[in-house]
Amino acid sequence: GQNIDQPTEMTATEGAIVQINCTYQTSGFNGLFWYQQHAGEAPTFLSYNVLDGLEEKGRFSSFLSRSKGYSYLLLKELQMKDSASYLCAVRDSNYQLIWGAGTKLIIKP
Amino acid sequence: NAGVTQTPKFQVLKTGQSMTLQCAQDMNHEYMSWYRQDPGMGLRLIHYSVGAGITDQGEVPNGYNVSRSTTEDFPLRLLSAAPSQTSVYFCASSYLQSSSGANVLTFGAGSRLTVL
Repeated sequence: GQNIDQPTEMTATEGAIVQINCTYQTSGFNGLFWYQQHAGEAPTFLSYNVLDGLEEKGRFSSFLSRSKGYSYLLLKELQMKDSASYLCAVRDSNYQLIWGAGTKLIIKP
Repeated sequence: NAGVTQTPKFQVLKTGQSMTLQCAQDMNHEYMSWYRQDPGMGLRLIHYSVGAGITDQGEVPNGYNVSRSTTEDFPLRLLSAAPSQTSVYFCASSYLQSSSGANVLTFGAGSRLTVL
């Protein structure tokens, strides 16, 4: 079967750096997405990786290793507004999106 | 641009009642989809459409119907509500997932449904 694994919850301190991991086993691969979802709101797009390596976008970076079925989202200079759930999703060989359950990130002052 | 407009935001139903969740997008997206989100689980695809007149089942289609008569609208119908359908529902649209590029999903604000 297809599976996406992420930690359920992580805690970090304001101003620090946090890495949220995502491992996947899917039928084929056509890209990996990270979305941010604040409590009670809709998911919003953060990043997209289709080739191996690091994609940097301001304070957020996303890394992909297709051979290892692994990605991480790196958040730098954490702010209180970064408290949210972070969803990892993989697009499989049928171009269907498979979603992880999300990682709830708690930022403490 | 309004993006994806989803209504209602909240709804309480009794078991056996029917209702329709409305979804409209103004981005000329070919792909539209309905997800449900439950605690501790990833988003689960209910139904999706790749264009007007074309719909297909996702992972959890039972108890739901959809239609796509126009590019803009993709309503989700609950035929006979059950407590197991208590969830948060999201409509999302994008350019075709199979075309080149990220084709990022744009989500509606969500509909919180409670079935008693």
